[in-house]
Amino acid sequence: QLQLQESGPGLVKPSETLSLTCTVSGGSIITSNYYWGWIRQPPGKGLEWIGNMHYGGSTYYNPSLKSRVTISVDTSKNQFSLKLTSVTAADTAVYYCVQETVDYTNYRYYYYGMDVWGQGTTVTVPS
Amino acid sequence: QSALTQPASVSGSPGQSITISCTGTSSDVGGYNFVSWYQQHPGKAPKLMIYEVSNRPSGVSNRFSGSKSGNTASLTISGLQAEDEADYYCSSYTSSSTWVFGGGTKVTVL
Repeated sequence: QLQLQESGPGLVKPSETLSLTCTVSGGSIITSNYYWGWIRQPPGKGLEWIGNMHYGGSTYYNPSLKSRVTISVDTSKNQFSLKLTSVTAADTAVYYCVQETVDYTNYRYYYYGMDVWGQGTTVTVPS
Repeated sequence: QSALTQPASVSGSPGQSITISCTGTSSDVGGYNFVSWYQQHPGKAPKLMIYEVSNRPSGVSNRFSGSKSGNTASLTISGLQAEDEADYYCSSYTSSSTWVFGGGTKVTVL
């Protein structure tokens, strides 16, 4: 059973860079059928998609965050990471890492959803 | 990209059926069958309930079903149970190769 675990500082100062890592256990990050992503949830609010990537290098970001976000993978450590620059209090949230399962068979693309989630890690940016 | 539109709250009595709507545009919900639904209990990570509009992952109760018509997707919970009380979020792929969530719906079991 594949599991994800987020790690990183719980407090980040305004204008600095938020850096989080997601460790993948029980499976390999080098799998063509998986995308690896980040979702966040501000206190008392809904889910916001931050972005995702494939180990092969393709990355996709939320347009509203694109100028500040980088998602990367370290295949040697079976980890992927999130960097968010120039943070403000509005970036205070619970950050989740997720695995998305996809497939391409018989000329059809299949998407099996964000089927594995980390437990989430709280990041606070004081105002 | 704008968030998908969901009702803020839906309620029902035990045993009843409820439906949560998720409205987008032809650039997301209406354009792709990549709509998913997630259940989130307080303090917990979300859980995948439906993928590709109407498919249930292994282990998800068949009381949960999904559908889509035009730019609106729907999640129906039949035989409502106390354990179904949670927040529910829809998600859709978009024409920009990104994903967008709905604002979330709080389900209350009366």
